[in-house]
Amino acid sequence: ETGVTQTPRHLVMGMTNKKSLKCEQHLGHNAMYWYKQSAKKPLELMFVYNFKEQTENNSVPSRFSPECPNSSHLFLHLHTLQPEDSALYLCASSQGEGQGDYGYTFGSGTRLTVV
Amino acid sequence: SQQGEEDPQALSIQEGENATMNCSYKTSINNLQWYRQNSGRGLVHLILIRSNEREKHSGRLRVTLDTSKKSSSLLITASRAADTASYFCATLQTSYDKVIFGPGTSLSVIP
Repeated sequence: ETGVTQTPRHLVMGMTNKKSLKCEQHLGHNAMYWYKQSAKKPLELMFVYNFKEQTENNSVPSRFSPECPNSSHLFLHLHTLQPEDSALYLCASSQGEGQGDYGYTFGSGTRLTVV
Repeated sequence: SQQGEEDPQALSIQEGENATMNCSYKTSINNLQWYRQNSGRGLVHLILIRSNEREKHSGRLRVTLDTSKKSSSLLITASRAADTASYFCATLQTSYDKVIFGPGTSLSVIP
């Protein structure tokens, strides 16, 4: 365990379903991130939260909706997804005021399959 | 455009050999980070090297940074089968407070 916990590990959902991914960290980090990792592509930054405030939305479609109720928890709500949204979704956290001053701690990811 | 690019894309070596992976980037950076990812898992932070540093070591890992050439290398000495993974470099750009990941190098260490 890295200190960042993601649930569920695997998720299969239909295009009309609504589901949520959860990320939790108790490292005392102030920033949390959602990344998407598709086959043969670099990691894509989706959202950044710093002290619970969203500081980055990297042109992500509205069918992905993040929520950060406190500095330790981050959710990604999913609805009406497309098959091309199938990917590994990674949550990360970091300390420090800059996003990458000290490196990121990643969770194990949620493998999402949209059918 | 992509900030960091690793080279080679894939590398296969025998156990006990050294593995060297390179990362090139385009713009000025504050730091460069290397991560490892085992198949289907999250990324694990290995080493962070700041722009004013030239070399860092951690166990069997050695990272160098040449800001004049905008490049970095990761050396894994005396490789083991357990080192089989994908390795990513990530750069924190000076002008854009964001960490950008490269596409990664897939390393296979054959027992």
